[in-house]
Amino acid sequence: DTGVSQDPRHKITKRGQNVTFRCDPISEHNRLYWYRQTLGQGPEFLTYFQNEAQLEKSRLLSDRFSAERPKGSFSTLEIQRTEQGDSAMYLCASSLLNQPQHFGDGTRLSIL
Amino acid sequence: TQLLEQSPQFLSIQEGENLTVYCNSSSVFSSLQWYRQEPGEGPVLLVTVVTGGEVKKLKRLTFQFGDARKDSSLHITAAQPGDTGLYLCAGVGETSGSRLTFGEGTQLTVNP
Repeated sequence: DTGVSQDPRHKITKRGQNVTFRCDPISEHNRLYWYRQTLGQGPEFLTYFQNEAQLEKSRLLSDRFSAERPKGSFSTLEIQRTEQGDSAMYLCASSLLNQPQHFGDGTRLSIL
Repeated sequence: TQLLEQSPQFLSIQEGENLTVYCNSSSVFSSLQWYRQEPGEGPVLLVTVVTGGEVKKLKRLTFQFGDARKDSSLHITAAQPGDTGLYLCAGVGETSGSRLTFGEGTQLTVNP
């Protein structure tokens, strides 16, 4: 399978803990995006990278959130001091420049 | 802030019926995508439209982009139970870089 891969698929943690998610994009896709989706809503944009450069961040991305793409391939999204409101599906997508985005199956985060 | 209003939010029909889902905005989009999402999975790209007035067909699905590139519709002919899912429209704004702005989605249920 050469699609976008996300790990883990599910994460359950206690409030206040830190969590990190990983996304492996489609090979050769230079753009990588993170979105968040809550139940009954469409995904909301968080941030995106072109190669290793983080080009845009949403206001939704508070200072507890950080994303990296150190070598321009896989990316990580870290949430520090998780809160119950962070419970959501975190989706990663990748694309070539100005081409449609293809999504992974997401990481579902549940905060206890 | 660009918004995409999708309607209806929920749709339950019988197998064989036709349906139309609408996606409207006051903003102009340089392109618009339609995705379908199953529970626990990421959105899967169905089509991209980029030209005002463009019509694309994918088997029993017909997608149209408004002349002013502010709205779009998805029409399904002779719906089947396998069409059940969450349909999402998402647009790339003319001034919003590469981020996708999603509608809230239409949850379609096709009953046998």
